[in-house]
Amino acid sequence: DAGVTQSPTHLIKTRGQHVTLRCSPISGHKSVSWYQQVLGQGPQFIFQYYEKEERGRGNFPDRFSARQFPNYSSELNVNALLLGDSALYLCASSLLPQPPIDYGYTFGSGTRLTVV
Amino acid sequence: AQTVTQSQPEMSVQEAETVTLSCTYDTSESDYYLFWYKQPPSRQMILVIRQEAYKQQNATENRFSVNFQKAAKSFSLKISDSQLGDAAMYFCAYRNPITGNQFYFGTGTSLTVIP
Repeated sequence: DAGVTQSPTHLIKTRGQHVTLRCSPISGHKSVSWYQQVLGQGPQFIFQYYEKEERGRGNFPDRFSARQFPNYSSELNVNALLLGDSALYLCASSLLPQPPIDYGYTFGSGTRLTVV
Repeated sequence: AQTVTQSQPEMSVQEAETVTLSCTYDTSESDYYLFWYKQPPSRQMILVIRQEAYKQQNATENRFSVNFQKAAKSFSLKISDSQLGDAAMYFCAYRNPITGNQFYFGTGTSLTVIP
């Protein structure tokens, strides 16, 4: 089985531009979460989606938005990019939004975004 | 809000030796899960070990074990017989099983394994 797939793996954007990051969860997983990992820090929660509905949102500005599609894949959109948005963006999928411990979450390898 | 603190930015260990990574957390909740994740250069977060707060017995997974001190809110990871492949960033994380739609991660410890 394929794991959590994220695309692209790397990209460079200019300040003020918009970016879309994509995530395909493990087959059968219906929940997708997004995390931002700034260099030297631990991942910080951005969003969680389950069955196409937002189930949680971290402390991020409205420039960040996301959506989930009927096939459970997800997009993270960031508008008006700032230099501080440069980070590794991780996607994690799970069977349920608050899985029992034995289900757990599976992370992808992330998208490295550089804003110049 | 829950906070997770890892006070050791970097650690090193000789191959085949034992190393302990520290983690403390702050929460007012009584039921929660604690995790150690490994992040190698491939960037994927890989689950190393997990502990349910209601269990008094410390979790073990092969060469990996934890020392969970609930009253002290401490959750350290012990790696025995360290191998070169253990070199990575290690993150301690917290999640509430009821409202647990998010992980709270520490800032990580970079582990170097010396041949």
